[in-house]
Amino acid sequence: DAGVIQSPRHEVTEMGQEVTLRCKPISGHDYLFWYRQTMMRGLELLIYFNNNVPIDDSGMPEDRFSAKMPNASFSTLKIQPSEPRDSAVYFCASSISGISNQPQHFGDGTRLSIL
Amino acid sequence: LAKTTQPISMDSYEGQEVNITCSHNNIATNDYITWYQQFPSQGPRFIIQGYKTKVTNEVASLFIPADRKSSTLSLPRVSLSDTAVYYCLVGAGTASKLTFGTGTRLQVTL
Repeated sequence: DAGVIQSPRHEVTEMGQEVTLRCKPISGHDYLFWYRQTMMRGLELLIYFNNNVPIDDSGMPEDRFSAKMPNASFSTLKIQPSEPRDSAVYFCASSISGISNQPQHFGDGTRLSIL
Repeated sequence: LAKTTQPISMDSYEGQEVNITCSHNNIATNDYITWYQQFPSQGPRFIIQGYKTKVTNEVASLFIPADRKSSTLSLPRVSLSDTAVYYCLVGAGTASKLTFGTGTRLQVTL
């Protein structure tokens, strides 16, 4: 199995620009998660989907952040407009079912730098 | 929300057994306990998961007391390649926010 695939691996852009992060979950997994990791705040859950439907987006920091999952094999996290404080590593993860009783499989992340 | 508390860091010599304890006083009845390992520039990787008593796989053991308010990840005979950050994650229900916590940075030396 290919695992969770994220793209790009690195993104450097200027403040105010739109940023789109992409994720392909493991085939057959029903849940998809977006996380953000920083030194100050650790690993934070931003939003998660079940069967392509957003279930809990309470972790999304602001309206500048949006996430979509148009089909079972693709999801995007968009930041518009981007700000320097959005700089972080963004991870996507998927699991076969459930929140607590199934392990999550993480991608290698997108390192985002907003100048 | 089942908040977790772990030691910030631990040091060990190669070949020793390492035990990392996580406190989760507010664990709910349906919550499982999951441990992840993270290397620099990589996403967290699943190590082991349990609900009660003891679970063992090819890389680690997980000990959970009867009250389930804590859990201990045991790594037998660590090697240099086990140097990583270890996270304890306790499920918080289907509609709550998952919290990984700060993790424990394990440094293994010769």
